Amino acid sequence: NAGVTQTPKFRVLKTGQSMTLLCAQDMNHEYMYWYRQDPGMGLRLIHYSVGEGTTAKGEVPDGYNVSRLKKQNFLLGLESAAPSQTSVYFCASSYAAGSYEQYFGPGTRLTVT
Amino acid sequence: AQRVTQPEKLLSVFKGAPVELKCNYSYSGSPELFWYVQYSRQRLQLLLRHISRESIKGFTADLNKGETSFHLKKPFAQEEDSAMYYCAPAWQAGTALIFGKGTTLSVSS
Repeated sequence: NAGVTQTPKFRVLKTGQSMTLLCAQDMNHEYMYWYRQDPGMGLRLIHYSVGEGTTAKGEVPDGYNVSRLKKQNFLLGLESAAPSQTSVYFCASSYAAGSYEQYFGPGTRLTVT
Repeated sequence: AQRVTQPEKLLSVFKGAPVELKCNYSYSGSPELFWYVQYSRQRLQLLLRHISRESIKGFTADLNKGETSFHLKKPFAQEEDSAMYYCAPAWQAGTALIFGKGTTLSVSS
C-alpha cells in the first residue's frame, strides 16, 4: 500500500495564479483532511471531508476550495494564489473521526512569489 | 472552544538527559490525546496515544485530568529523538484533531 500520496511535491507560483494539489489514499478511509504548516503556527486545518461528496471548513479555509468526488481523492485548490499561502501543505486521512489515527502524506512545499 | 497549548517552541537537551514536552488542553468533555512526531524531512506519524498506555521509543505520556495535561516524557534522550512533536487532542464530538503549535526537540551530544 502506498498510504497517502500528494502531488506535486514542490511548486512555485506567481501571485494570482491558480493550482490544484492532489491527495490520494488507498486505505479506504472515510475522512480526509488538508492542513498547512507554518513556522511557529504548527498545523492548521484548512478543510476536511467526512466522506465522498462532502466537504467542510476548518480553521483557515479562506482562499482555498476543496472537492471530494471520489473516496480516495481529496483535492485542494487555490484560485488566486497570494504570498500568504506560501506554506507546506499536508494531506491526511483516517478511518473515522476523533480517536482514530491520522495518516499523513509527505507534504507539498508551495512558494508564492 | 477547545484549545491545546504547547508552551515551548524549542527544547534543547543533551544526550542522556531527561526530556519532558508539555501539553495542556482546555477542558471540554473528555478528549482522547495523541502525540505525533515529525522527523526531519519526513511526514508526521503517530507516536503514541494515551488510551493504549504504551511506551514507544522510550516515550510515555500520562493524562492528568486534574491539570488537563498530557506531557510527553523520556528518561534518557537520544540524538535520534530530535524532531518536531505535536500534541493533538481529539474531542469525541469533533470531527478533526486539533494540533498544538509543536515543540522542536533538539538533542545534542
